[in-house]
Amino acid sequence: EADIYQTPRYLVIGTGKKITLECSQTMGHDKMYWYQQDPGMELHLIHYSYGVNSTEKGDLSSESTVSRIRTEHFPLTLESARPSHTSQYLCASSETRATNEKLFFGSGTQLSVL
Amino acid sequence: KNQVEQSPQSLIILEGKNCTLQCNYTVSPFSNLRWYKQDTGRGPVSLTIMTFSENTKSNGRYTATLDADTKQSSLHITASQLSDSASYICVVSDRGSTLGRLYFGRGTQLTVWP
Repeated sequence: EADIYQTPRYLVIGTGKKITLECSQTMGHDKMYWYQQDPGMELHLIHYSYGVNSTEKGDLSSESTVSRIRTEHFPLTLESARPSHTSQYLCASSETRATNEKLFFGSGTQLSVL
Repeated sequence: KNQVEQSPQSLIILEGKNCTLQCNYTVSPFSNLRWYKQDTGRGPVSLTIMTFSENTKSNGRYTATLDADTKQSSLHITASQLSDSASYICVVSDRGSTLGRLYFGRGTQLTVWP
């Protein structure tokens, strides 16, 4: 059982609102990731971090931003939510030093923007 | 273009029966191939990780095979249970032991009926 937590599990908000999706892990992993997943589709990497104060954009263009001030915390922020942001957002972490390092996922946040 | 294709897209079987899910990839260079199980509304959970030199790996009733020459993998589920109902995702990495770029398949949605 992975020790990576996402809140909230579900979020329904109106267009134009600012939101922050929380992600925390207690495994001391240096790498953390945010993925976006639509029903029946593959996961797309939107942001990743290799350590504190390190953040990079992923493959999928995203209007969200992330921060990594503490090892265990990797929040994702949408300044102005739109209906096109409706999706499931999955946070993950991994440890660099592990051989064939395993990716641990949180339970996800299902975001609906009306 | 690096891709991961899974088949079938969905599958329904009766409890107690066996099934095999397929994954074909064109990712190059190849580092490792992973199978994940994703329950509805949850994050993916790792089942197996196989490198170039491994032909088969088991995790309980799950057995994954890899043919790196033909770039094919399969996941065999033995004596299926209702709890096996989930999406099974094939993921291919293109780097060494450190987690490189990951290519995700769209998953096979398995439903096990009593």
